[in-house]
Order: sequence, then C-alpha cells, then structure tokens
Amino acid sequence: DVKVTQSSRYLVKRTGEKVFLECVQDMDHENMFWYRQDPGLGLRLIYFSYDVKMKEKGDIPEGYSVSREKKERFSLILESASTNQTSMYLCASSSSGGEGTDTQYFGPGTRLTVL
Amino acid sequence: SQQGEEDPQALSIQEGENATMNCSYKTSINNLQWYRQNSGRGLVHLILIRSNEREKHSGRLRVTLDTSKKSSSLLITASRAADTASYFCATDTGRRALTFGSGTRLQVQP
Repeated sequence: DVKVTQSSRYLVKRTGEKVFLECVQDMDHENMFWYRQDPGLGLRLIYFSYDVKMKEKGDIPEGYSVSREKKERFSLILESASTNQTSMYLCASSSSGGEGTDTQYFGPGTRLTVL
Repeated sequence: SQQGEEDPQALSIQEGENATMNCSYKTSINNLQWYRQNSGRGLVHLILIRSNEREKHSGRLRVTLDTSKKSSSLLITASRAADTASYFCATDTGRRALTFGSGTRLQVQP
C-alpha cells in the first residue's frame, strides 16, 4: 500500500515564525502536492512538484515556498507564519500515469494553528 | 473560482437509503475523480472516470459523467453509517494537478 506520512498531526506556531511541514512518500511517485483545506473552500492547491528540484505554483502560492531535494520528500515552508495560514495542510503524491493525472494518495494532514 | 462544485453541500439520509451527490465543472477535462474524507483525516480515492466514459461502477458506488453538461454524479447505494464522510470531486484539466471542489458532507443515520 502507498504510504504518505506527514511530520506532525498538530502544530502550533507563533506569528512570524518560520514553519516547515514535511511530507514523505514510499512509492517512488514522481508527483507530490501540497494543499490547504479550509471550511467551505475545499482543497486548494498551494504548490506541486513533478520531479526532484522541480516545482510549480498552484492556485494559492503566496506566503509559501517548497523544497524537493529527494524524490520521496516534499517540504512546505511558511517563511513568516501569519494567522491567516491557520489551516489543515494535506500532502499527496501520485505516479505519472499514461493518460492524464493519476490517482492521488494523501497523508493524514497537519492541522496548523498560528497564534 | 472553483473548477468543481458539489451539490448538495450537505446530505442526511437513513441507513439503507441511496445517496446521490453531484459535481459540476467549468472547463474540459481528461478525467474526473471522486474522493472521500473521514473527519479530520486525509482523502481516500474512490473512483476515476475518464472523459470518454459515461458510467463506472465500483462495489456500491456508481459514477456517471456527462461531458456535454460538464457534470458528474456519485451514487452510493444501500448506504451504511460507515459511509458518513465528506465526498469531493476532482478534475484533471491537463495541468498535472487536480482541482478539487468544496465537497458534500454526507451523514448516514443508523
């Protein structure tokens, strides 16, 4: 079974802190994604990566950056956390399917609170 | 704006009844996928339907796709209390990433 793990289930940080959210997948997937989930807004794509050291902006990249130094690991960085970044953060991975975007496998999520 | 919009936002039914959720989208797609999320957890993939398919089944799940109306429906037959969750549609529009809707919260009363 595909396993996607996230470094923390719950995280509390102070405004202005630099925050690192880590995601690791064990299925040699090429593609990795970071979403945030807020009530009534569904999942919104922050960044994704389709190869090591490659990254693409999603729909809401402002205030975030990412790092993918190894194929299995994709990190989301909040350079200076703000209260409006309080949210559930979900990581996902997928293989590069032959036809279109393949099934995504999700981690359990990190609920981040910024005080 | 969201590519996929689910309808209804919330649905409450009795165990044994069927549950139908709808998804509408705006642009052409390669495929459409449905995911399930239990409260406070990650999403789990349920089913994928390609743009050239009209209907697909998986166990108690039935998905239809109407590309002319840019809509899809997910039917869960003979629902169980364990089906209580949020359900999301997600569309592949060719940008290497999926676009998710805002979801339907399904409550199945025992």
